[in-house]
Amino acid sequence: EDQVTQSPEALRLQEGESSSLNCSYTVSGLRGLFWYRQDPGKGPEFLFTLYSAGEEKEKERLKATLTKKESFLHITAPKPEDSATYLCAVRRGSWGKLQFGAGTQVVVTP
Amino acid sequence: DTGVSQNPRHKITKRGQNVTFRCDPISEHNRLYWYRQTLGQGPEFLTYFQNEAQLEKSRLLSDRFSAERPKGSFSTLEIQRTEQGDSAMYLCASSPDTYNSPLHFGNGTRLTVT
Repeated sequence: EDQVTQSPEALRLQEGESSSLNCSYTVSGLRGLFWYRQDPGKGPEFLFTLYSAGEEKEKERLKATLTKKESFLHITAPKPEDSATYLCAVRRGSWGKLQFGAGTQVVVTP
Repeated sequence: DTGVSQNPRHKITKRGQNVTFRCDPISEHNRLYWYRQTLGQGPEFLTYFQNEAQLEKSRLLSDRFSAERPKGSFSTLEIQRTEQGDSAMYLCASSPDTYNSPLHFGNGTRLTVT
C-alpha cells in the first residue's frame, strides 16, 4: 500500500534559522511528488511538482529536492510569514488523486 | 482566474440532519476532486469527476455521501444523516485536463456535527 510519511510533525525556528522538512514515500510508479503550503483555515496552496530523482525546484526561500525514496523541502533564512503547515503528496496516475502526508507544522518566530 | 470557490465556509448541524456543500471550480478546469481533512492530518481523497462523470470514489465515501457535478460545472457534496465523525474540513480542488497538472484547492467548508 502506498505510504507518505512526513517528519518532523512540528518545527519551531528562529527567523533566519535554516532547516529541512522530510517526506518519505513508498509508491509504485510515482508520477509526481507535490509540495503544498497550508495556512490555518485555508486550503492547500500549490508550491512545487517534482517528477524524477535528482530534480530540484526553488521559489523564494524554499527549495524542494527529490530522491527515489524521499523529498526534502529546504527553508533558507525563514521569515515569520513562512509559518504554515507544509504538505507533500504523491501521485501514481497522471490524472489526479494525490495521496497526502500528515504535514509538518512550521512556526518561525522573530 | 478567480480560484476555486466553496460555500458555505462553515456549517454547524445536528446529528442526523442532511447537509449539502457547493464547489465552483476554476472555469476552464474540467477535473474536480473532493477531499476531507481532519485536524492534524493531510487531506484524504473522497471522489473525482472528469466533466460530469464521476470516475472514482474512495471507500471512505459511505452510502450516506453523494456527489454530483451536473453539466460539468459546479459540484455538490451531500451528507445524509450526519454523524459526529463527519466533522471535518471538506475541500474541493480542480485541475485542467493536462498531464500531471497540480490540484488547485478552495478554502474548504468546515463542518461541525453536534
